Amino acid sequence: DADVTQTPRNRITKTGKRIMLECSQTKGHDRMYWYRQDPGLGLRLIYYSFDVKDINKGEISDGYSVSRQAQAKFSLSLESAIPNQTALYFCATSDTGLAGGREQFFGPGTRLTVL
Amino acid sequence: GESVGLHLPTLSVQEGDNSIINCAYSNSASDYFIWYKQESGKGPQFIIDIRSNMDKRQGQRVTVLLNKTVKHLSLQIAATQPGDSAVYFCAEARRGQNFVFGPGTRLSVLP
Repeated sequence: DADVTQTPRNRITKTGKRIMLECSQTKGHDRMYWYRQDPGLGLRLIYYSFDVKDINKGEISDGYSVSRQAQAKFSLSLESAIPNQTALYFCATSDTGLAGGREQFFGPGTRLTVL
Repeated sequence: GESVGLHLPTLSVQEGDNSIINCAYSNSASDYFIWYKQESGKGPQFIIDIRSNMDKRQGQRVTVLLNKTVKHLSLQIAATQPGDSAVYFCAEARRGQNFVFGPGTRLSVLP
């Protein structure tokens, strides 16, 4: 979805390096999410934020941190990358769901390889 | 593009046939379900959703069926086209809770 962008699209790094993945959205949504996707597994939630002042851990937050710089920007950091963090990373957004719609809109993904 | 779900179950159908993709969900308290389509190298795209107070919902060429008794969800695609080739996965959620995503099924459309 062009309304949700992620940078970089691909990144190769070495063990121990600090990496930041960035996500921007123009949908005006308050809620933003970071997921990782591994072969044969469903999307797993790393962190989520319901507004600029709200940050919550997801299912697999160890080894990751996030920053919600603005309503439109949500970045994911790997403080010291390790090989098992090699995966596809997706950012997503959603509206509050009060009007009924709760679907999430995903960015194109970032392929991260940790050597 | 990158492939995802290297070890996913695969459904192969002839172009023009109907496809049925199944999903077993885990939480009987889930009240909202979504089907997503993920093409190679892209993020998941919303296809259709259904709430637990319904057992069927139709979209353009797609139908979702919900069987709460056995916690089963299915996605039917009519007249499958080559552009339907992708990984399809379901997601479930209970109000106030985050989504849980299934691992997905790869749909391959044969000419």
